[in-house]
Amino acid sequence: GAGVSQSPRYKVTKRGQDVTLRCDPISSHATLYWYQQALGQGPEFLTYFNYEAQPDKSGLPSDRFSAERPEGSISTLTIQRTEQRDSAMYRCASSSGGNQETQYFGPGTRLLVL
Amino acid sequence: SQQGEEDPQALSIQEGENATMNCSYKTSINNLQWYRQNSGRGLVHLILIRSNEREKHSGRLRVTLDTSKKSSSLLITASRAADTASYFCATDAGRGSTLGRLYFGRGTQLTVWP
Repeated sequence: GAGVSQSPRYKVTKRGQDVTLRCDPISSHATLYWYQQALGQGPEFLTYFNYEAQPDKSGLPSDRFSAERPEGSISTLTIQRTEQRDSAMYRCASSSGGNQETQYFGPGTRLLVL
Repeated sequence: SQQGEEDPQALSIQEGENATMNCSYKTSINNLQWYRQNSGRGLVHLILIRSNEREKHSGRLRVTLDTSKKSSSLLITASRAADTASYFCATDAGRGSTLGRLYFGRGTQLTVWP
C-alpha cells in the first residue's frame, strides 16, 4: 500500500475487556514494529517482526500483551483484560529491514480504557 | 535504558526565524533519526544520519551528529507556522541491539507564531 495503516483509529473500552489493534504495513516491508506512546512522551518499543518471526518481545509490558503476524504482512496487537494504565497511543511502523533503514509510522490507534 | 533526550522541551519562535533543537543519547549508535509529530497525527520521518556522517541537509533542515559528544542537533531554517509540531530524535542501540529497535526522547514542542 501507499503507507502504513492502522485500525481502528480510536478505541474506547471498559476495564477488563480485550482489545485487538491492527496494522497493515507497507506491502514490500519485511520488518514491522509496535510502539506504545503515552501522552507527552516519545514512543516506546513493544515488539517487532521480521516477516512472521518475532525475535524480540522484550518491550511488552506484561503477558496480557501479545502480537501476531502470521503471514508476514498484517499484524495484530492484542491486549487482554485491559487496565486503565494501558490507555495510550499504539503506533505501528514498518521498514524494508536492517537497522540502517527508515521506519515509516502509521497514524496510530488511540486507546482509552475506562 | 538508552534514550535520546531532546533539549529544549519547548521552543517558541516567530515565522522566519531559525529553530535549533538538540538531542543527547547514552550509548554508541548506528544511526540517529529525527521525526515530527503534528497534533493528532502520525510520526513523520524527517531525516536519518548515520554514525559515520557528521552533517546532512534536507530542504530547510540541517542535522549534525557528534558521536564523540553523543549529541545531535536539528536546525530548521526560515521557519513557518506549519512547522509547529513536536520533534523527536530516535536512536538505535548500536552493534548487537535488536534490529531497528528505536529509542525515542520526550520531544521538543516547537511553536512558530505567524
